[in-house]
Amino acid sequence: ETGVTQSPTHLIKTRGQQVTLRCSSQSGHNTVSWYQQALGQGPQFIFQYYREEENGRGNFPPRFSGLQFPNYSSELNVNALELDDSALYLCASSTATSGSSYEQYFGPGTRLTVT
Amino acid sequence: DQQVKQNSPSLSVQEGRISILNCDYTNSMFDYFLWYKKYPAEGPTFLISISSIKDKNEDGRFTVFLNKSAKHLSLHIVPSQPGDSAVYFCAASRGSTLGRLYFGRGTQLTVWP
Repeated sequence: ETGVTQSPTHLIKTRGQQVTLRCSSQSGHNTVSWYQQALGQGPQFIFQYYREEENGRGNFPPRFSGLQFPNYSSELNVNALELDDSALYLCASSTATSGSSYEQYFGPGTRLTVT
Repeated sequence: DQQVKQNSPSLSVQEGRISILNCDYTNSMFDYFLWYKKYPAEGPTFLISISSIKDKNEDGRFTVFLNKSAKHLSLHIVPSQPGDSAVYFCAASRGSTLGRLYFGRGTQLTVWP
């Protein structure tokens, strides 16, 4: 069974640029969630995708957007990068039953640094 | 607004002893609680969970206790092992949010020989 993978591992961008982060879900999982973990904080929910549709969103501005593909892999796009976007971005996959997907399995994350 | 709180940033325990990690929450609508363990350079790993209809769940060396009236849960690790040294996150969810997890800030557990 293949776990959750994310790419790239590390990324350095300049303020104002755009970035795309990628995630491959664990085999058999149809739901993917994205989280932002700032230094010294717990992961903060960005949004979740289920069957290629956004299925819930946290308190993040519209410049954070995502996609889920038919094979359940996913992308997180961030436009107009700000210094505060520097964080570890975590992707988590799960299998939704009756709309709930509590036990989420995380990838290793992408460390984004905005300068 | 931090709805899940872990007030102890660190805990140090001798190998073989019990580790008790604590977590408080403010939202009475939470109905499912989870603990994750995180090693450096890795993503959080699911450890154990508990539904709000229970007050205890056990899995090997790990037991989670839930006190709904106090809005408090704890993770007990017995006996503690050096390999348990990691950051432990408490997380909570409610059915209406379709699996969104609310995390605490984590507790760094160090188990020394």
